[in-house]
Amino acid sequence: KAGVTQTPRYLIKTRGQQVTLSCSPISGHRSVSWYQQTPGQGLQFLFEYFSETQRNKGNFPGRFSGRQFSNSRSEMNVSTLELGDSALYLCASTGSNEAPLHFGNGTRLTVT
Amino acid sequence: GQQLNQSPQSMFIQEGEDVSMNCTSSSIFNTWLWYKQDPGEGPVLLIALYKAGELTSNGRLTAQFGITRKDSFLNISASIPSDVGIYFCAGPRSSGSARQLTFGSGTQLTVLP
Repeated sequence: KAGVTQTPRYLIKTRGQQVTLSCSPISGHRSVSWYQQTPGQGLQFLFEYFSETQRNKGNFPGRFSGRQFSNSRSEMNVSTLELGDSALYLCASTGSNEAPLHFGNGTRLTVT
Repeated sequence: GQQLNQSPQSMFIQEGEDVSMNCTSSSIFNTWLWYKQDPGEGPVLLIALYKAGELTSNGRLTAQFGITRKDSFLNISASIPSDVGIYFCAGPRSSGSARQLTFGSGTQLTVLP
């Protein structure tokens, strides 16, 4: 069974630009969550999607948004990029409400 | 909000030694998870704990869910070079979704030959 797949693996963007990251969950998993990982703040929850609906959102500004498609694939978007948005963005999926998350290898975003 | 205090921050040990790390919280957690992250990769689930007092093993790894539900520890026995990485404890906020995890700050483990 393929794991969580995230594309692209690396991105370099300039301040003010926007970026879209993609995540394909494990087959059969309908819940997709996104996390930001930085050296200073560690792993922080961004949002969670289930059946194309956002179920929970972390404490991030509105520049961070996401969506989920009918095949459970998810995208997250960051608009008006800031230097502080440089991070590893991790996507995770799970097959049931109580099952632990399985993470992808992330997208490394660098904002210059 | 709920915070997880993970210690130690880093460890340097000799191959073959046993390792212990722990997480504590001021709030109750209903689930404790332990993940390992290798450089350039995402966290990989090692052990999941769902019940206070539960002791669970996965090969050379053993983790326990504290009886107060405010702590957990992870032991690694007879360490080997591939144990190198960052170990995170995590748990879902008690009032939130099981997918909205709070993570500890991680324990960086280095195994010396």
